[in-house]
Amino acid sequence: DTAVSQTPKYLVTQMGNDKSIKCEQNLGHDTMYWYKQDSKKFLKIMFSYNNKELIINETVPNRFSPKSPDKAHLNLHINSLELGDSAVYFCASSQVISGANVLTFGAGSRLTVL
Amino acid sequence: DQQVKQNSPSLSVQEGRISILNCDYTNSMFDYFLWYKKYPAEGPTFLISISSIKDKNEDGRFTVFLNKSAKHLSLHIVPSQPGDSAVYFCAARDSGTYKYIFGTGTRLKVLA
Repeated sequence: DTAVSQTPKYLVTQMGNDKSIKCEQNLGHDTMYWYKQDSKKFLKIMFSYNNKELIINETVPNRFSPKSPDKAHLNLHINSLELGDSAVYFCASSQVISGANVLTFGAGSRLTVL
Repeated sequence: DQQVKQNSPSLSVQEGRISILNCDYTNSMFDYFLWYKKYPAEGPTFLISISSIKDKNEDGRFTVFLNKSAKHLSLHIVPSQPGDSAVYFCAARDSGTYKYIFGTGTRLKVLA
């Protein structure tokens, strides 16, 4: 009964490959996100969807394409993987608590590109 | 350009004592500040938040203080417990974009 679940947890792949990470939340939240944590531990937003509609799209290469088939799912597809894509990717959903949209994160997906 | 900074990468505290984690920011457009705790191989979990119109918020052993003039916030944990050992991230929300900017985290180790 995990609130935000993402798969796979670990992904090792070669440069140039295409891979996907799936995310599902059972919290009933309307908004979902993808964050990237790089080697310097910066946690940066990549995308945000509200009710299946894209609302935040940071300056992320267009090799990254999010897809939200319904408001409980937000998947991330990455084409032509590069070494610099190695990172931990966190999916999250949010609800408003006392005025602030509070994020609930998944456990992360560690992507290693060789 | 790091808008949210946690200048101490690590902190060790004796069990039962106070842990103080600090966070500095540069953007005066931030309207909410949140603290998250992260254990290894898990995602960050929400701990406590504070609105920019307040200077203190308390929840059990956790208190967050906000000093707007100094653009500084701190998280106090009293008393510290070994289970509090984790990485703590502060995050600030931009009131214009609603995006959160995270600090790089402080690793807290509570010694038994």
